[in-house]
Amino acid sequence: QQPVQSPQAVILREGEDAVINCSSSKALYSVHWYRQKHGEAPVFLMILLKGGEQKGHEKISASFNEKKQQSSLYLTASQLSYSGTYFCGTGGAGGTSYGKLTFGQGTILTVHP
Amino acid sequence: DTAVSQTPKYLVTQMGNDKSIKCEQNLGHDTMYWYKQDSKKFLKIMFSYNNKELIINETVPNRFSPKSPDKAHLNLHINSLELGDSAVYFCASSQGGFRTGLVQPQHFGDGTRLSIL
Repeated sequence: QQPVQSPQAVILREGEDAVINCSSSKALYSVHWYRQKHGEAPVFLMILLKGGEQKGHEKISASFNEKKQQSSLYLTASQLSYSGTYFCGTGGAGGTSYGKLTFGQGTILTVHP
Repeated sequence: DTAVSQTPKYLVTQMGNDKSIKCEQNLGHDTMYWYKQDSKKFLKIMFSYNNKELIINETVPNRFSPKSPDKAHLNLHINSLELGDSAVYFCASSQGGFRTGLVQPQHFGDGTRLSIL
């Protein structure tokens, strides 16, 4: 089952912060975050494996709450280059989810000067 | 050097035709994938191969047939193309982790934009 991302779209000015959430109705084994710029391929940002884990990548970080089956992506002091569509991908622990990444519907982030 | 390369980049063809998309990765990865991204940007897994063995086969019409001659290549052949096949098809690769159920970070190709007239 597809994870649900919120919000669907965010519009920011340079320097502002944003949070993108990803929720699943199924138990999560891992959460991936990817960014896709218009007309380009999705690019891997980070993977979170453990409950409560938080990882960082430049000014982009993420948390993973295994109990709540949720992950959040935090973008601080946004830059123009952050614009794009952000996808979370969830990996299940077994069964039909084994070895498979299921992506959310995406969140469109637009950063204006 | 391109890590995951797909050809062709654009494919415009008529309904009923048969076409193939090729994918090659030079990252030394052992797992390759095909994804379909529709007009609403929804990214959905179609197939996955691990060391030339088919491991994921989602609910995809049997007009779609993947082939992996070796672990660096994964091709997709589509028979009797339909209007609904219009989409961007992405190839991706990752290393290991399959046997533990953990999906490793995926490296995507630039995509093949398929348009059916």
